[in-house]
Amino acid sequence: DAKTTQPTSMDCAEGRAANLPCNHSTISGNEYVYWYRQIHSQGPQYIIHGLKNNETNEMASLIITEDRKSSTLILPHATLRDTAVYYCIVRTDSWGKLQFGAGTQVVVTP
Amino acid sequence: EAGVTQFPSHSVIEKGQTVTLRCDPISGHDNLYWYRRVMGKEIKFLLHFVKESKQDESGMPNNRFLAERTGGTYSTLKVQPAELEDSGVYFCASSQSDGYSKNEQFFGPGTRLTVL
Repeated sequence: DAKTTQPTSMDCAEGRAANLPCNHSTISGNEYVYWYRQIHSQGPQYIIHGLKNNETNEMASLIITEDRKSSTLILPHATLRDTAVYYCIVRTDSWGKLQFGAGTQVVVTP
Repeated sequence: EAGVTQFPSHSVIEKGQTVTLRCDPISGHDNLYWYRRVMGKEIKFLLHFVKESKQDESGMPNNRFLAERTGGTYSTLKVQPAELEDSGVYFCASSQSDGYSKNEQFFGPGTRLTVL
């Protein structure tokens, strides 16, 4: 599976949109981009995933560039409960393992 | 619907002892995964069951770790004998295999293992 690169940390003001970038320049055509997050002391939680098209659900939006070499996770109205480590994961095998990197520590401040 | 549950939530043992962690997946989920995060490191995959069969055990660190999933329901992960470097948080996750799901892995809260 392709490797991803994310910023180590970022801050976001409560109520504002949080835009989390991810680079996956070696992604291949059959690899999906998944986002998970881990709130302190909890297990990781699925957020969203996509292949080529932009995706939106009740938690977030995923914007994938046309060349698929990077993506952005958008939390439209960040709340204090969104403070977590966010992981961008690229994978081919839909039912196989998740390979977690270091992720981005997002801190939402009042 | 009940989520993935893990038992115990915490375990403190001495080096050389044996510990067994248990995971109960979401009912009906064929896929069951074990992961762990050791102190200061990233979350690492250990193994993947499909029903009762081991699909991928490439992440198992050594033969001190034994995972089972008898009957394709709950799973146990035994560490025998435990070493200091085994300390960390062990996560279990499960997912469906129906081809229509978003292939989301649902994680349990983890078991924090401390080896003294």
